Parts: sequence; structure tokens; C-alpha cells
Amino acid sequence: EVQLVESGGGLIQPGGSLRLSCAASGFTVSSNYMSWVRQAPGKGLEWVSVIYSGGATYYADSVKGRFTISRDNSKNTLYLQMNSLRAEDTAVYYCARAQLGISHYYFDYWGQGTLVTASS
Amino acid sequence: QSVLTQPPSVSGAPGQRVTISCTGSSSNLGAGYDVHWYQQLPGTAPKLLIHGNNNRPSGVPDRFSGSKSGTSASLAITGLRAEDEADYYCQSYDSSLSGSVFGGGTKLTVL
Repeated sequence: EVQLVESGGGLIQPGGSLRLSCAASGFTVSSNYMSWVRQAPGKGLEWVSVIYSGGATYYADSVKGRFTISRDNSKNTLYLQMNSLRAEDTAVYYCARAQLGISHYYFDYWGQGTLVTASS
Repeated sequence: QSVLTQPPSVSGAPGQRVTISCTGSSSNLGAGYDVHWYQQLPGTAPKLLIHGNNNRPSGVPDRFSGSKSGTSASLAITGLRAEDEADYYCQSYDSSLSGSVFGGGTKLTVL
């Protein structure tokens, strides 16, 4: 059974850093595309970042240069290092497996999410 | 302002049919990229509902169907049930942004 469990969220002051983790089971992270998607309180979904099975990484313009996606193959875990956090980064962060379709990827499994609050 | 445009809300009575539209542009839906749909029940994570324009994952009832034409796509729900009350999101890829994009979401109310 595929499972994704996020952790690492919490309250952080603007300008601070936080690392989110997503422990996967039931499949191999390194053989799949993996992504982070966030949802600000009361708002819609926003794609944040993706890491391809080959290691290439891509980011939304809103987080480029501040966030870094990575994975630890030995732990079958996905990470999101978030630096220079801003109030507008406050959101529930979901880890999702990205399944490659005919034209691009879609998200077939999601974690339960972890809340990040950037506030003083 | 989302790259993909959805109506903020739709509603229907039990048993009725509703559709949710998703409008894009020449750099996403119009470029031939597929559209996918997600259902988010209150307080839960999104769930994949339709992938590749009109494909239902195992376990999704055939009351849900999708279609795409040019720069527009739609999700249809027939035989509305109370448990369908949720937020629905479309998703695709945008070549000018080099990343995935979501619609702003549509809240479905079952009257």
C-alpha cells in the first residue's frame, strides 16, 4: 500500500528556515517523480516543486532560489528545505507522488499534509 | 489569479448533473497538455479523480467523467450525492512556466 507521511512543519519566524520530510512506503521514491504542493489557509492548491527520477528539479517562481527539493534514497524520503521564509509561505504542505502521463505528470498519491506558519 | 480558470462555485440537487469548467491558454491546455482533476473533501488531502483528460483511477465511480477540447476542459458529475460536496481542482502543465499549474478550485454544494 502506498503511503506518504509528512513531518517537520511548525511555527517559524519570517526569514527563518525549516526542512520538511516525506517518508514514503509501498514504492521507491528514487524511481518516481515526487512533488510538493501547498495550500494557504482557505485558498487553493499551488504547485511548489518537483524532482524527477533522474534527479532534475524544478520550482515555482514564488519559491525559486529559496526552496530546495531533495531525496534520500536510503531512507526512501523526500525533503523540502525552505529558507528565507515569508508570511505568504504559510500553508499546508503536501507531498505527492507524480505519475508521468502521456504529456506530463499528475499526482496520484498524496500525504496528509504538514502545516507551516511563518509569523512573528 | 490562477493560470487555469474555474468557477468559484457550482451547485445542484441530489440526482442532478453538474459540470465544472477549466479554462486555460495556448501555453497549457491549448498546447496539448492533458488536464487532471482532484477532489478535496473538507479537512482532507486532495484525491485524484480524473487523469489524462478522461481516465478514472480504480475506485472512482463512473458518475465522474472528464473531457477536454482546445483550451478548455470540464468535469461532469452525474447522479449527484451528498458526499460529492467538496472542492474540485483542475491541473495541467504550463510550458511558459515550466511547471505544473492548478485551477483556483470550485466548491460544489449539493442542495
